Amino acid sequence: AQKITQTQPGMFVQEKEAVTLDCTYDTSDPSYGLFWYKQPSSGEMIFLIYQGSYDQQNATEGRYSLNFQKARKSANLVISASQLGDSAMYFCAMREDSGFKTIFGAGTRLFVKA
Amino acid sequence: DTAVSQTPKYLVTQMGNDKSIKCEQNLGHDTMYWYKQDSKKFLKIMFSYNNKELIINETVPNRFSPKSPDKAHLNLHINSLELGDSAVYFCASSQDSLIWGYTFGSGTRLTVV
Repeated sequence: AQKITQTQPGMFVQEKEAVTLDCTYDTSDPSYGLFWYKQPSSGEMIFLIYQGSYDQQNATEGRYSLNFQKARKSANLVISASQLGDSAMYFCAMREDSGFKTIFGAGTRLFVKA
Repeated sequence: DTAVSQTPKYLVTQMGNDKSIKCEQNLGHDTMYWYKQDSKKFLKIMFSYNNKELIINETVPNRFSPKSPDKAHLNLHINSLELGDSAVYFCASSQDSLIWGYTFGSGTRLTVV
């Protein structure tokens, strides 16, 4: 069964510094996708970045990069040069290729300090 | 033009009532979903429809009934509302291909009093 674990309920980072949000997963499907979503205090869910299980390179989208370590089953999100607007909940998610269901981790609340 | 629109955004109702939440997407996506986010922010899938066909039906009380008149719409009807149904309900859509993430609606905050 697929499973997503985010062990950091909350994180603090100084503005302009980089921060890593941890995510580990478990699946028996060899083909799967890993995702990160941002949920600001306004409540909407925003898709940030995607990593495929067969992708050789780590995904990057602007200041977001995904540190994918397949053997360790980890898919950490790295946010570079943090901004105040990055303060939000961040969810790691996974979807197996064999199904339509995406499951989400418990989330990490990031606080960016000025 | 909103990609995935949910209405209403807020819904306050008494226990025992029946209510509906509507969702529409204009992205041409084949698959639509309903997720429930509880007070601890945990997101759990409830239902998924692919081209109007129910493909995911998680362990959800049968008071919850999704309806998909066409692939652009997925509505959620809830009968006999209970206090524990209070949550934020998100509609989402996606392409079938694995590489696409979800596009979420803005959420409906349901409060049962």
